[in-house]
Amino acid sequence: DTEVTQTPKHLVMGMTNKKSLKCEQHMGHRAMYWYKQKAKKPPELMFVYSYEKLSINESVPSRFSPECPNSSLLNLHLHALQPEDSALYLCASSQVGDGYTFGSGTRLTVV
Amino acid sequence: EDQVTQSPEALRLQEGESSSLNCSYTVSGLRGLFWYRQDPGKGPEFLFTLYSAGEEKEKERLKATLTKKESFLHITAPKPEDSATYLCAVQAWVDTDKLIFGTGTRLQVFP
Repeated sequence: DTEVTQTPKHLVMGMTNKKSLKCEQHMGHRAMYWYKQKAKKPPELMFVYSYEKLSINESVPSRFSPECPNSSLLNLHLHALQPEDSALYLCASSQVGDGYTFGSGTRLTVV
Repeated sequence: EDQVTQSPEALRLQEGESSSLNCSYTVSGLRGLFWYRQDPGKGPEFLFTLYSAGEEKEKERLKATLTKKESFLHITAPKPEDSATYLCAVQAWVDTDKLIFGTGTRLQVFP
């Protein structure tokens, strides 16, 4: 299995909702990442988990809450988002310090 | 400050018309340079990793090269299915948890 699987593919949520994005990989990668990408822009790093511990938080607002239940799973919990948070959310994994494998993303729309 | 600049921003080619995409970088100790292809609304797809100046890698119609200041992605006899955004990213030895992305080159190949 050489894939990173993200669910759901599309999500529409209101500003008062709570939702979660899920990411799974079975390549034995020990680093996992959340990126945010706006249209026609490069991906922006949000969080890095290395060996299941949060190693980088790029000053992301607390309405985004990451969780790494085990080495294969990564979640992003969303609460009280703003319309400007609408974007493509990408999960990636890698062996620590290596190139990344990206998932196909979750297209999030906040209404 | 570590930085990646890609040019041109957009490129239109006729099918069969070969060209090159440029990725210029400044980084304090390059560990690796990565090329990705991204289709609209999808996650980046890994193409190549280059580690040292003089290194070259090929895959079908694509060839990536690396010098101490820049990388080129050469596209030979492109086809319409090569249309995508091509992203370059660098990884520094001092912070292997991060990829620094350029803003990408949007390539359109028309018949």
